[in-house]
Amino acid sequence: DGGITQSPKYLFRKEGQNVTLSCEQNLNHDAMYWYRQDPGQGLRLIYYSQIVNDFQKGDIAEGYSVSREKKESFPLTVTSAQKNPTAFYLCASSSVLYNEQFFGPGTRLTVL
Amino acid sequence: KNEVEQSPQNLTAQEGEFITINCSYSVGISALHWLQQHPGGGIVSLFMLSSGKKKHGRLIATINIQEKHSSLHITASHPRDSAVYICAVPLNAGGTSYGKLTFGQGTILTVHP
Repeated sequence: DGGITQSPKYLFRKEGQNVTLSCEQNLNHDAMYWYRQDPGQGLRLIYYSQIVNDFQKGDIAEGYSVSREKKESFPLTVTSAQKNPTAFYLCASSSVLYNEQFFGPGTRLTVL
Repeated sequence: KNEVEQSPQNLTAQEGEFITINCSYSVGISALHWLQQHPGGGIVSLFMLSSGKKKHGRLIATINIQEKHSSLHITASHPRDSAVYICAVPLNAGGTSYGKLTFGQGTILTVHP
């Protein structure tokens, strides 16, 4: 089955530690996205990638970093510079940039 | 004021009731998305529409581009429809159908048996 996988579903980290969230897709999509969701707020775009080896900052990129070395993979690192990292993180992909997006199951990150 | 406003924020219904969720946005667009987020967090795309009405099973989505308003209707609601329903629009797409999405805050729907 084609789809997007994110792992792990729940992640706990101590304050001050960097943590990397995984996102893999087998839909052969060029574009991939990372969103953050906080209670009572809409999804906000962190980073996006139009194609391999290219990525751009979204609306709330501070404290985050990404890489896109393979078409299938778009990992997100939450660094210690992110002031409020506890949130639900969603990865998405689309065939081309901004086309209909398909979402992964999400990772809930809790920083203790 | 949010650029994409949904109402109501919370909605409780009895099984079988007709449900309406509304979405209003601040600038002209060419297309709007309705998404469903399950209790576990995963998101599924329900509709992308640019005019008129679309129907899929018990779900109906309508849009009025001139009035900058869309509605999502659920007929004969069922407890399995309980989810968060999110509208999203490409606010800065220059009139095209695709662009960076701006999301509403979501409507939490609970359907009781």
